[in-house]
Amino acid sequence: DIQMTQSPSSLSASVGDRVTITCRASQSINTYLNWYQQKPGKAPKLLIYAASSLQEGVPSRFSGSGSGTDFTLTISSLQPEDLATYYCQETYTTPPSTFGQGTKLEIK
Amino acid sequence: QVQLVQSGAEVKKPGASVKVSCKASGYTFTEYYLHWVRQAPGQGLEYMGWINPNSGATNFAQKFQGRVTMTRDTSITTAYMDVSRLKSDDTAVYYCARDRMVVGQPLDYWGQGTLVTVSS
Repeated sequence: DIQMTQSPSSLSASVGDRVTITCRASQSINTYLNWYQQKPGKAPKLLIYAASSLQEGVPSRFSGSGSGTDFTLTISSLQPEDLATYYCQETYTTPPSTFGQGTKLEIK
Repeated sequence: QVQLVQSGAEVKKPGASVKVSCKASGYTFTEYYLHWVRQAPGQGLEYMGWINPNSGATNFAQKFQGRVTMTRDTSITTAYMDVSRLKSDDTAVYYCARDRMVVGQPLDYWGQGTLVTVSS
């Protein structure tokens, strides 16, 4: 199975900061990489698909990049409503489709 | 609009079974896979498997083979997931989510989740 490793596991940032979360795959997954946002007590929400495509309705401050094994989710200017846990997911092999362990984002 | 509405919370004893439903609306039920993902309390997301609502074909992560069954009823656009021989570490929120039947597609809509608690 493909392993997905996210870093950091948690981070604290201030409103307006640029935030970067990384995700590394244990083997090449081309651009079959998605990012989700999960707010407390809610279902995950799709933010980015195919590594860099913004899901409809998602604010443009979210962006994704990468291919092969290394990927990045960037929030260009952090907003209070971005408090959440962020997960990457590979869909190179389904099943199993592996999720990263999550990055918990806190607002200072 | 697309909606996936799941059944309510369940409390089960170890060794019992549970059946969770996922009612789809707002799109053509047979054109999207339905996937199941679970999340134990305070933990991350764990992928379980998918069902093709058109054919009924299923595919599971190896961990769940033999203990999880996925079915569907196309007449009422509802998918079901059965977990048998429940253990305490099956306590989790179970989500259904859809993707278009193309390789590599993301999970673009999710159900609200169903909490299954396994406790003696």
